[in-house]
Amino acid sequence: QQQVKQSPQSLIVQKGGISIINCAYENTAFDYFPWYQQFPGKGPALLIAIRPDVSEKKEGRFTISFNKSAKQFSLHIMDSQPGDSATYFCAAAPQHGATNKLIFGTGTLLAVQP
Amino acid sequence: KAGVTQTPRYLIKTRGQQVTLSCSPISGHRSVSWYQQTPGQGLQFLFEYFSETQRNKGNFPGRFSGRQFSNSRSEMNVSTLELGDSALYLCASSLPGRLNEQYFGPGTRLTVT
Repeated sequence: QQQVKQSPQSLIVQKGGISIINCAYENTAFDYFPWYQQFPGKGPALLIAIRPDVSEKKEGRFTISFNKSAKQFSLHIMDSQPGDSATYFCAAAPQHGATNKLIFGTGTLLAVQP
Repeated sequence: KAGVTQTPRYLIKTRGQQVTLSCSPISGHRSVSWYQQTPGQGLQFLFEYFSETQRNKGNFPGRFSGRQFSNSRSEMNVSTLELGDSALYLCASSLPGRLNEQYFGPGTRLTVT
């Protein structure tokens, strides 16, 4: 089953708080997990990505936590700011073949209140 | 470096017509993928091209087709448009090879009436 399940659908966080978005997958044949941020009227922008050989990756205020045994990964946004208000998508790349195909989660609409 | 560009940005078509969308990848990027984004289905993979060859195809009807030119620019075509084809069509480019970062363009908003 090549699906990526994302939760929550929407999230409201106070400025300075931590935003946490979760994703889960069933098929173990994924080997690349990026997160994208999308503002209204724009295309998705790559935020941060992780490979399954590491359990955590941090870039600035953004951290991916990866749990291979549970087949789950999550995005943590520390010190959330109103400018972080956007839709966030997790994705996964199937391992087979020479392809860059990405399977996306359903998205999380994040609102950071000032 | 210029980002991925897509033209046109907005398009209104009538049912039964056909449409061609264009994508220019980032300079040096030879892999181009297309995605359809709708509120109901989210982001869905359409197809991927590399060196003018289709490398992968998603679960879309044959009305959706694409091609890539020798300069890596890509076009996608939708024939016999249906109301359900209304969507944001996104193009992403990346360097050759798997698992390279994909960069998306702003998309073409297609409305079918």
